Amino acid sequence: DGGITQSPKYLFRKEGQNVTLSCEQNLNHDAMYWYRQDPGQGLRLIYYSQIVNDFQKGDIAEGYSVSREKKESFPLTVTSAQKNPTAFYLCASSISLLGLEQFFGPGTRLTVL
Amino acid sequence: KQEVTQIPAALSVPEGENLVLNCSFTDSAIYNLQWFRQDPGKGLTSLLLIQSSQREQTSGRLNASLDKSSGRSTLYIAASQPGDSATYLCAVRREKDSNYQLIWGAGTKLIIKP
Repeated sequence: DGGITQSPKYLFRKEGQNVTLSCEQNLNHDAMYWYRQDPGQGLRLIYYSQIVNDFQKGDIAEGYSVSREKKESFPLTVTSAQKNPTAFYLCASSISLLGLEQFFGPGTRLTVL
Repeated sequence: KQEVTQIPAALSVPEGENLVLNCSFTDSAIYNLQWFRQDPGKGLTSLLLIQSSQREQTSGRLNASLDKSSGRSTLYIAASQPGDSATYLCAVRREKDSNYQLIWGAGTKLIIKP
């Protein structure tokens, strides 16, 4: 089956810890994205990547970091600098940055203890 | 700055009714508009995409319209079913920057009562 997988489904973080969220796609898409979703708000773009070894900051990149060493993988690290990380995180991909449709993974819910 | 608004935030209707969900945007310079469905705790599924040059798109019981001049889109659901219960989000792709990013509404939570 082609698609996007995210792991883990639930993640708990202690104050001061860095955590990494996994996103893998087997759709052969060049572009990948990370969004944050908070209750009552629209999705907000954290980072996006147009191609391997390239990524750009979105609207709320502070406190987050990414890498794109492989076409299939776009992990997101939530660092201790992110003061309010509790949220639902969604990864998406599209054929290209101009691709008409974005395909989404099932999401990871991060909770700070 | 493009802003996308979805009203109401929540809607509850009896099964079988036809219903309309609303999406408004402040800047008419859009590339396209998409409607998505999100089930609780899950990712998003794309429902319909309307290009800026189009007026509407249809898929099964769903019909989405676009009026750029008034900054509005509607998602019409015919003969609603309990399985339609979900949160519906609209997103606008803006054309004024080179990265064509999506700007999202907060969604309308739809409950279809059996």
